[in-house]
Amino acid sequence: GEDVEQSLFLSVREGDSSVINCTYTDSSSTYLYWYKQEPGAGLQLLTYIFSNMDMKQDQRLTVLLNKKDKHLSLRIADTQTGDSAIYFCAESGGGGADGLTFGKGTHLIIQP
Amino acid sequence: NAGVTQTPKFQVLKTGQSMTLQCAQDMNHEYMSWYRQDPGMGLRLIHYSVGAGITDQGEVPNGYNVSRSTTEDFPLRLLSAAPSQTSVYFCASSYGGEAETQYFGPGTRLLVL
Repeated sequence: GEDVEQSLFLSVREGDSSVINCTYTDSSSTYLYWYKQEPGAGLQLLTYIFSNMDMKQDQRLTVLLNKKDKHLSLRIADTQTGDSAIYFCAESGGGGADGLTFGKGTHLIIQP
Repeated sequence: NAGVTQTPKFQVLKTGQSMTLQCAQDMNHEYMSWYRQDPGMGLRLIHYSVGAGITDQGEVPNGYNVSRSTTEDFPLRLLSAAPSQTSVYFCASSYGGEAETQYFGPGTRLLVL
């Protein structure tokens, strides 16, 4: 079946860039997503990328997609304490009908 | 718009009890789904619906029932709660359009004793 893998933890200093990586197995993935979850809260969609794109930039966020290697990354520039959260990578096979397959989430820890 | 709403926010059940987790959206989304989130497991799809009257199973459907009598509502039923169903439950909806963006509710925290 489909699988999405992420590292469980990432620790960065405030002001540095954070890079969260994700690999997936489903070659038919149409869209790939990054969600953010703060403690006790639901999931907030940060950004998404269509599978025929290599890169997408949105303010401090840059998403890179290597479709050949099935590798997705999220770069957060100038990481702030408010970025501390769990970041989930997710993929969709298209149509949205059968939901998303999520990774287990990466805890982003910000050091002062 | 209220977006996706879920009730209750918290619930404690005894093993064998039944209950219904409510989910509603006011965005006229066709697609709705239920996920459970467990520590170290990420989110797993329980059931989903592509429109009123249509439901299907996700990755972990056992022990749960759903129905979709209206576009707005997608309740999740636990017929006989088990401790393994202790989890945080998220409902999500999407238009099913270009980006298939899913909007998540705030979650229901369920503890089964």
